[in-house]
Amino acid sequence: EDKVVQSPLSLVVHEGDTVTLNCSYEVTNFRSLLWYKQEKKAPTFLFMLTSSGIEKKSGRLSSILDKKELFSILNITATQTGDSAVYLCAVVVNAGNNRKLIWGLGTSLAVNP
Amino acid sequence: EAQVTQNPRYLITVTGKKLTVTCSQNMNHEYMSWYRQDPGLGLRQIYYSMNVEVTDKGDVPEGYKVSRKEKRNFPLILESPSPNQTSLYFCASSLSRTSSEQYFGPGTRLTVT
Repeated sequence: EDKVVQSPLSLVVHEGDTVTLNCSYEVTNFRSLLWYKQEKKAPTFLFMLTSSGIEKKSGRLSSILDKKELFSILNITATQTGDSAVYLCAVVVNAGNNRKLIWGLGTSLAVNP
Repeated sequence: EAQVTQNPRYLITVTGKKLTVTCSQNMNHEYMSWYRQDPGLGLRQIYYSMNVEVTDKGDVPEGYKVSRKEKRNFPLILESPSPNQTSLYFCASSLSRTSSEQYFGPGTRLTVT
């Protein structure tokens, strides 16, 4: 059965800290891996990763994929209170004529001032 | 502004009273889907639609119906809601069935008593 596991489940840090969120997966027919940020509303897209070793970067956020070890990390440097959210990882798999998203349960990040 | 809208945003109803949650997108996306999000279970797909008049079951379709008569609209119908359908519901859309990035609506919090 396809599965995506995120760790830690929750994390509390102080402003300015650097955090690393993990997403490991066991799936068949891997297509890509996605990171989303969910504040108290709908998930918003952060990154899509398809190739190993190529870092995606957006401001203080960056992410990388390792397709050999089957995991991805999301790094946030110099955290701010606005980074407080649930970070969701999803793996896209090919499913016949379609593609399917396998979602992790998320990492809840709280950044304290 | 490109967006996915859902209505209503909050709904409290009683067991057995039919309801419809509307979803509309203005991005001319082909692919639309419905998710429910529950604590400890994450996001689970209910139904999806690859285009007009093409719909299919996701992982948890029981108790739900959908239709896709127009490209922009994808309503979710609960013919006879039960308390186990109390959840947070998200509609999402993407450009095509092969696109990985999805755009989420703001969510509908449904309580069935």
